[in-house]
Amino acid sequence: QITLKESGPTLVKPTQTLTLTCTFSGFSLSTSGVGVGWIRQPPGKALEWLALIYWDDDKRYSPSLKSRLTITKDTSKNQVVLTMTNMDPVDTATYYCARVIVVVPTILFDYWGQGTLVTVSS
Amino acid sequence: SYVLTQPPSVSVAPGKTARITCGGNNIGSKSVHWYQQKPGQAPVLVIYYDSDRPSGIPERFSGSNSGNTATLTISRVEAGDEADYYCQVWDSSSDHQVFGTGTKVTVL
Repeated sequence: QITLKESGPTLVKPTQTLTLTCTFSGFSLSTSGVGVGWIRQPPGKALEWLALIYWDDDKRYSPSLKSRLTITKDTSKNQVVLTMTNMDPVDTATYYCARVIVVVPTILFDYWGQGTLVTVSS
Repeated sequence: SYVLTQPPSVSVAPGKTARITCGGNNIGSKSVHWYQQKPGQAPVLVIYYDSDRPSGIPERFSGSNSGNTATLTISRVEAGDEADYYCQVWDSSSDHQVFGTGTKVTVL
């Protein structure tokens, strides 16, 4: 059974750095073709892809947020960490992590965590 | 950057067919995946590789993709199908993921 769960602060202040952890089970991030991605959703709005990390430690970032994002993995702990710097109220959203399956020429998110709501406010 | 455009809303009577479009430049050359998101829940993959269904997804869900439009079709719509639906592709030119703007399906 594959599960993912996001954890981190529910409230951050403007200009602070957000650190979110995705803890997963049922698969390994050392398996070829597997990755973990982060997606967010502001209240009442659409999904927005943020970042993903592959089994080989290759990383991709949303071009609009690249300068603020860092994604890392700890394969032994089955965790992926996303950091986002200089948080702003517009970053208020539910943040999801999801398992990524790579089958060239496409990538899909086949299992999702429940999401965690992060509010940015002073 | 690559843009996927969906109608904001689709309304359908129970038992009828709902069609949700996802428009993008030459999207027919890409693999399209569809996600269903019910209120307060995480998205769920309902169609992948344009028209394949994951295990547990009813046969009422189907997909197609050609030209500049991909379509998710829900046959014999049920009240439980009321949700937001998002398309997604991998934009190979930028090596980035792209989600559509989302469509809210309302069952009348």
